[in-house]
Amino acid sequence: DTAVSQTPKYLVTQMGNDKSIKCEQNLGHDTMYWYKQDSKKFLKIMFSYNNKELIINETVPNRFSPKSPDKAHLNLHINSLELGDSAVYFCASSQDPAADEQFFGPGTRLTVL
Amino acid sequence: GNSVTQMEGPVTLSEEAFLTINCTYTATGYPSLFWYVQYPGEGLQLLLKATKADDKGSNKGFEATYRKETTSFHLEKGSVQVSDSAVYFCALRSRGTGGFKTIFGAGTRLFVKA
Repeated sequence: DTAVSQTPKYLVTQMGNDKSIKCEQNLGHDTMYWYKQDSKKFLKIMFSYNNKELIINETVPNRFSPKSPDKAHLNLHINSLELGDSAVYFCASSQDPAADEQFFGPGTRLTVL
Repeated sequence: GNSVTQMEGPVTLSEEAFLTINCTYTATGYPSLFWYVQYPGEGLQLLLKATKADDKGSNKGFEATYRKETTSFHLEKGSVQVSDSAVYFCALRSRGTGGFKTIFGAGTRLFVKA
């Protein structure tokens, strides 16, 4: 009965590789988000989708490409991984873009070697 | 632009001690304010919120009051438990030209010793 789930939980890869992180929510929410949390725990919004359409894109390198096949899924694909991409990536969802509360997934810890 | 500043951690307390984690914000308009908690190995969970000035949010013994005059939303708990050990994030949500956006503070790690 997990509300927001992400796979994988851990991802270790070499520089230059391409990888994807998947996110699914079963809350019936319209809006989904990707956040990046760096080693100092600072959390920054990357993208937001509403009903499969991109509504927030926060000056993220275009090596990062989100894809929303339906409103319950928001996947994150990263090309040509760099050392600085190492972080914990959180997916979140909310009922709609104006809703106060966001529900977070457990995070994916990405380590680029 | 909008921003949230919270006290640096870690904060280490003994069980049953009083907790305060300071949070101040900068925002245009009237944002909603939140405290989220992140337990080890988990995602963030909403702890409490306040949507207008002088509102008090409360949950699980934690409280915070939306103070517009001091632009603050300090988190307090009268008696902490070991199970409260976590990272606490202050956040604001407001509407700008790009739509609604939530901005998080840097997080404050709390350790509670038995």
